[in-house]
Amino acid sequence: GEDVEQSLFLSVREGDSSVINCTYTDSSSTYLYWYKQEPGAGLQLLTYIFSNMDMKQDQRLTVLLNKKDKHLSLRIADTQTGDSAIYFCAETHTGTASKLTFGTGTRLQVTL
Amino acid sequence: SQTIHQWPATLVQPVGSPLSLECTVEGTSNPNLYWYRQAAGRGLQLLFYSVGIGQISSEVPQNLSASRPQDRQFILSSKKLLLSDSGFYLCAQNGQGNSPLHFGNGTRLTVT
Repeated sequence: GEDVEQSLFLSVREGDSSVINCTYTDSSSTYLYWYKQEPGAGLQLLTYIFSNMDMKQDQRLTVLLNKKDKHLSLRIADTQTGDSAIYFCAETHTGTASKLTFGTGTRLQVTL
Repeated sequence: SQTIHQWPATLVQPVGSPLSLECTVEGTSNPNLYWYRQAAGRGLQLLFYSVGIGQISSEVPQNLSASRPQDRQFILSSKKLLLSDSGFYLCAQNGQGNSPLHFGNGTRLTVT
């Protein structure tokens, strides 16, 4: 079955870059997503990448996909205190509905 | 743009009581709708999804049920709540195909 794994916690200093990693097992994944969850809130879509891409950049966010190793990463440049949140990666593949499989989330703590 | 409304935001219910959580979406027609549950400190588990009115798919056997009486309304119900039903319930929607999921702000349910 599908499995998505993330490390549980990451601490960075304000202004540094953050790199959040994710591995997945489903080789038929077609879309991979990064979501952000602030305390007590729902999930906010940050960015996503199609499986035939290896990189996508959107302002301070860079997504890297290594399909051979089934490894996805999210780099946040110039990390700010407002970036403190839980970050979830998720994958899906072509089907009737986008049934996402989520990782357990990485809690990013930004320190001054 | 799409908007997802979930209510109530928080709910405390005794064991054995019924449950009804409502989700409505605006700004889109014929969406795929989803109910996810997030247990404390854990990732998201897909409970139900619906690709149309009256069409419900259940992902895991459980004490809950879902209904879609209208195109943009998705309801999560239980006849008798269990302690293990406590969690953060998130409604999500996307269009057809593999467009990204967008989430509501969630309902935090505590069963006492």
